Amino acid sequence: ETGVTQSPTHLIKTRGQQVTLRCSSQSGHNTVSWYQQALGQGPQFIFQYYREEENGRGNFPPRFSGLQFPNYSSELNVNALELDDSALYLCASSPLAGGAGTGELFFGEGSRLTVL
Amino acid sequence: QQQVKQSPQSLIVQKGGISIINCAYENTAFDYFPWYQQFPGKGPALLIAIRPDVSEKKEGRFTISFNKSAKQFSLHIMDSQPGDSATYFCAASSTGNQFYFGTGTSLTVIP
Repeated sequence: ETGVTQSPTHLIKTRGQQVTLRCSSQSGHNTVSWYQQALGQGPQFIFQYYREEENGRGNFPPRFSGLQFPNYSSELNVNALELDDSALYLCASSPLAGGAGTGELFFGEGSRLTVL
Repeated sequence: QQQVKQSPQSLIVQKGGISIINCAYENTAFDYFPWYQQFPGKGPALLIAIRPDVSEKKEGRFTISFNKSAKQFSLHIMDSQPGDSATYFCAASSTGNQFYFGTGTSLTVIP
């Protein structure tokens, strides 16, 4: 069973640029969530995707957007990067049906974004 | 506003001792309370979780104590080992799609 995989693992961007992060969900999981983890902080919910639709969104501006594909993999896009966007971006998949079930999140190892 | 407040920020325990991490919440709609363990360079991994219909759940050396009236829950790690050294996050959810995490506790177990 393959776990959650994320790419790239590290990247450096400059302010104002755009970035795309990718996530492959664990086999059998149809729901993907994205979290932002600033240094020394807990993960903050960005949004969740279920059946290729956004299924809940945290307190993040519209320049944070996402996609989910038919194979349940997902992308997180961030436009107009700001210095405060520097963080570890975590993808988590879950065997949920739109939010029901055990609630367990299976996290990838994250993509560390540095904005200069 | 922090939905889940976690303390202490850091904790040092001798090998064999008990590690205790506390969390408090305000939203009474929360119905699922997991604890996650995160090692450096890794994503968080579920350690143990509880729902508010029970006051305690034990899995091996890890126990969650839950006080619904006080809106508090805590993680107890018995017989702490150096391999338990990691950052621990409590979390809470009411819908299963958005989880609110605490700010984390860095645990160091001294041999």
